[in-house]
Amino acid sequence: AQSVTQPDIHITVSEGASLELRCNYSYGATPYLFWYVQSPGQGLQLLLKYFSGDTLVQGIKGFEAEFKRSQSSFNLRKPSVHWSDAAEYFCAVGAPLSNDMRFGAGTRLTVKP
Amino acid sequence: GAVVSQHPSWVICKSGTSVKIECRSLDFQATTMFWYRQFPKQSLMLMATSNEGSKATYEQGVEKDKFLINHASLTLSTLTVTSAHPEDSSFYICSARRREGRLADTQYFGPGTRLTVL
Repeated sequence: AQSVTQPDIHITVSEGASLELRCNYSYGATPYLFWYVQSPGQGLQLLLKYFSGDTLVQGIKGFEAEFKRSQSSFNLRKPSVHWSDAAEYFCAVGAPLSNDMRFGAGTRLTVKP
Repeated sequence: GAVVSQHPSWVICKSGTSVKIECRSLDFQATTMFWYRQFPKQSLMLMATSNEGSKATYEQGVEKDKFLINHASLTLSTLTVTSAHPEDSSFYICSARRREGRLADTQYFGPGTRLTVL
């Protein structure tokens, strides 16, 4: 079965600085990869996803992620962070035709003024 | 598109009572929905997979008689917490799976329901 690791529990960046959140997965074939964001007391909002094709994926709110098969990674990036980006970010991995989707433990992003 | 709603957004109940939570896919049909539980500052824990027209599939350790799931239509799944106790207090989140191409599925999440059992 697939699994996901988000090595960073908490990251703090200054507003306007660049951001990279790490995600490593384990899966025997090409996985489906997702990044979700959760604001306090809210559900999860899909930021972007990768199924196949171009390994650089653009999402909403100015986020992008790059699938690197050789590194089993799907890191999330944003060139300039806004205070409203402060939230919990979850990486998830799924498999074709499967109900099974695994979530990472999450990375909490704090944005300093 | 791909909006999922949950109702209620929060509920407080007395110990021993039952609580029903609804999950609806508003603009797409979902043959499969999922119920998760989330503890503070933790990731999501899958409780069960809800399949339209058939019995739900529960994860190991989840009591199916306590957490009743009904997927009555392609847009509605309900989770009933029966005889709720304080330890059932948690944030419950549902998701609905939408087919978005050959072999490609994406889960879209509801806003969650905060359950507090007194």
